[in-house]
Amino acid sequence: QITLKESGPTLVKPTQTLTLTCTFSGFSLTTSGVGVGWIRQPPGKALEWIALIYWDGDERYSPSLRSRLSVAKDRSKNQVVLTLTNMDPVDTATYYCAHKMAASSSFDYWGQGTLVTVSS
Amino acid sequence: QSALTQPASVSESPGQSITISCTGTSSDVENYNYVSWYQQRPGKAPKLIIYEVTTRPSGVPDRFSGSKSGNTASLTISGLQPEDEADYYCFSYTASTSLYVFGTGTKVTVL
Repeated sequence: QITLKESGPTLVKPTQTLTLTCTFSGFSLTTSGVGVGWIRQPPGKALEWIALIYWDGDERYSPSLRSRLSVAKDRSKNQVVLTLTNMDPVDTATYYCAHKMAASSSFDYWGQGTLVTVSS
Repeated sequence: QSALTQPASVSESPGQSITISCTGTSSDVENYNYVSWYQQRPGKAPKLIIYEVTTRPSGVPDRFSGSKSGNTASLTISGLQPEDEADYYCFSYTASTSLYVFGTGTKVTVL
């Protein structure tokens, strides 16, 4: 059974760096085609895809966040870490990590999400 | 990379059918079968209900179906049920850029 769970701070100050960890089980991030994606959703607004890391280490980022965003995987811990620098109140959102299916471009399993508020 | 365009809201009575459109471009929806659909109930994580335009994951009721014509993908819910009231998002992979994009989202209300 595949599970994912996001963890990290619930409150960050403007200009600070956000670090979120996605801890997963039930799959390997070494399996060809598999990936872990990050999606965020500001309160009351639409979903926004922001990043994806593939089984081979390839990383993809939303163009609007590329300069501030990075993702990395720790295979030994079954974790993917998201780092978003220079946080702003507009970055306030629920952040989800999700499992990308090996033979598809879709996310079939999602974490519960974690709400991150940016405020001084 | 612009969001795919969906209607903001759709309402219909139980037992009826609705169709939600998702309009993209030749860079995503039109030329690739990488469209998926997600259902999101209030306070919950999204749930995959259709992938690769027409495929239903195991456990998703067959009243949910997907299709595509040109640069517009569609999600049809037949025999609308009260539990179908939720937000629905389309999602596409863009092979030319290897990036991803969600639709603007549609709120479905069961009257």
